[in-house]
Amino acid sequence: QKEVEQNSGPLSVPEGAIASLNCTYSDRVSQSFFWYRQYSGKSPELIMSIYSNGDKEDGRFTAQLNKASQYVSLLIRDSQPSDSATYLCAVNLHPYSSASKIIFGSGTRLSIRP
Amino acid sequence: DGGITQSPKYLFRKEGQNVTLSCEQNLNHDAMYWYRQDPGQGLRLIYYSQIVNDFQKGDIAEGYSVSREKKESFPLTVTSAQKNPTAFYLCASSEGTGAQETQYFGPGTRLLVL
Repeated sequence: QKEVEQNSGPLSVPEGAIASLNCTYSDRVSQSFFWYRQYSGKSPELIMSIYSNGDKEDGRFTAQLNKASQYVSLLIRDSQPSDSATYLCAVNLHPYSSASKIIFGSGTRLSIRP
Repeated sequence: DGGITQSPKYLFRKEGQNVTLSCEQNLNHDAMYWYRQDPGQGLRLIYYSQIVNDFQKGDIAEGYSVSREKKESFPLTVTSAQKNPTAFYLCASSEGTGAQETQYFGPGTRLLVL
């Protein structure tokens, strides 16, 4: 099992709809979770971080964390063509040990169709 | 402007040649990282440094070397021992530690083999 897993996609969503991206992780004690957006040919850009169970909203983006089920998701409301990108999930594994490190999933490619 | 800069944007390597990728940050971050990204794949950790004059190997360090003589700078050398160097190289720095660590990325360097 990979430490951080994402469906590679592509995920195709009509403009104006809600895009839902999911990520599962292996380490039960992980405390920090991140979503990055990466446009083609560009570097990842941090869009959301979440540390507590539940929802965290920032504009059109909502991150959802369920530590018991070990998944984190990103919802994008009112999807726009400019949201078309690859979304990387990142998890800080083993946060309380000397082996603490941030692991990235391989990303989900999202395509918003007009 | 605070941020992370990488140069050059594109780099061409001839067979048997060593090349050095530059990464500079003025964010006063202690930790810096080098990742490699291949098409359609996630980020793989090459080397990281949590403090000046100290660095550790990541998951794919063979064929690469680094130095950390200054807090602001973390150059990566791709040696001739790296047989498949064509990739997108990303430098990152992070604020916070342990569960509070958050990584930010530079714009990347694309390395191509002639």
